[in-house]
Amino acid sequence: KQEVTQIPAALSVPEGENLVLNCSFTDSAIYNLQWFRQDPGKGLTSLLLIQSSQREQTSGRLNASLDKSSGRSTLYIAASQPGDSATYLCAVSSDTDKLIFGTGTRLQVFP
Amino acid sequence: NAGVMQNPRHLVRRRGQEARLRCSPMKGHSHVYWYRQLPEEGLKFMVYLQKENIIDESGMPKERFSAEFPKEGPSILRIQQVVRGDSAAYFCASSTLTGADSNYGYTFGSGTRLTVV
Repeated sequence: KQEVTQIPAALSVPEGENLVLNCSFTDSAIYNLQWFRQDPGKGLTSLLLIQSSQREQTSGRLNASLDKSSGRSTLYIAASQPGDSATYLCAVSSDTDKLIFGTGTRLQVFP
Repeated sequence: NAGVMQNPRHLVRRRGQEARLRCSPMKGHSHVYWYRQLPEEGLKFMVYLQKENIIDESGMPKERFSAEFPKEGPSILRIQQVVRGDSAAYFCASSTLTGADSNYGYTFGSGTRLTVV
C-alpha cells in the first residue's frame, strides 16, 4: 500500500531564505509525482509534475527533483517570499490512477 | 478554458438531508476523480469515473455515498442522510489521459465545503 510522507510538517522562515521541502513514498512503482500548493480555504494549484522517467522539473523559483529508486522528492523554493506562504502537498500516481497525497508542509514566510 | 468547475462552493445541510455536489471537468477531460479533505487532514481519494463508468470506488464509504458521471452533464457526488462527520471539503479533479500517458497531471477544482448542522 502506497504511503506518502512529508517533512517537515510545518516551517516558518524569514523572507529571502532558500527552502527545501521533502516528500517520501514507500512504493517506487509510480507514474508521476506532482507538487501542489493549497491556500487556506482554497483549492489546489498544481506547481510541478515530474514523470517517473524524469529527474527534475523547474518553474521560476521552484525546482522539484525525483529519486524514484529511493522513494524521495524534494521541492526547492529559492528566495522565499511572504506570498509563498501556503500548504505544500506532494502526491504520487500509480497504476490505479488515483493520487495518493502526503500530509503536507505548512509554510509561513514572514517579512 | 474555465478549468474544473465545482458548485456549490459552500453547502450547508441539516443532518438527514441529501447533499449533491457537482463537478464539470476541464474541456476535453474525460476522467474525473473525487477527493475528500476532512478538517486538519490530508486529501483522500474517493472515486474515479470516466463517462458513464465507475472505474475505482475503493475510497467511497460503503453506505450513503454514490457518484456518477453521465454522458451529458457534470459529475455528481451524492451523499444521502448526511451526518456531522460528512462535514469536509470535497474536491474534484480531472485529467485527459491516464497514468503513464499523462503529461499534464491532474487539475483540481476549488472544492465544495460541506457543513452538516
